[in-house]
Amino acid sequence: IAGITQAPTSQILAAGRRMTLRCTQDMRHNAMYWYRQDLGLGLRLIHYSNTAGTTGKGEVPDGYSVSRANTDDFPLTLASAVPSQTSVYFCASSLGQEFNEQFFGPGTRLTVL
Amino acid sequence: GQNIDQPTEMTATEGAIVQINCTYQTSGFNGLFWYQQHAGEAPTFLSYNVLDGLEEKGRFSSFLSRSKGYSYLLLKELQMKDSASYLCAVKSDDYKLSFGAGTTVTVRA
Repeated sequence: IAGITQAPTSQILAAGRRMTLRCTQDMRHNAMYWYRQDLGLGLRLIHYSNTAGTTGKGEVPDGYSVSRANTDDFPLTLASAVPSQTSVYFCASSLGQEFNEQFFGPGTRLTVL
Repeated sequence: GQNIDQPTEMTATEGAIVQINCTYQTSGFNGLFWYQQHAGEAPTFLSYNVLDGLEEKGRFSSFLSRSKGYSYLLLKELQMKDSASYLCAVKSDDYKLSFGAGTTVTVRA
């Protein structure tokens, strides 16, 4: 692994189903983030984690949960998917919350029907 | 709350110069960022300004005026590969990034 990876690349999901989007980084970055990107709205922060064992809510956290059991992994779970959660999801990481550059994963395109 | 505005679309000719403006109103300020995003790909970091003035990096320059809540990204000697979306983002007091909706730049031959 080099950098930050996400899985799956894309997924079509029935409404009401549970889904976990995976994110792994091998850069030993302390801070990790989940964003969703929708046309005309730009990237919006869902949840973040400044260090392993801690998480926080972003701008649009409702319907999503995260965990940070270790430095490398930051999964995002949709407990019961709804069509409004159809979006492209990007995971990102940075050395620390105070550091400037965020590195983004390739994204997961999620469609909820 | 955060309010970040940038134009939706711009078109320019190969070899020309394009300036993408960004205005912001945010709760606190810890820097302004520009990211480039090609269609279907992840955003990649272009520039960072925390003090007033111009930062130059090759064909790309970024300017910041904190008193005016204003930044621009200047793309010089445009190439076809510069066709992409350009995202303005502001880091607020709590170190979180807020993004504008992005400006899609189309470079024509």
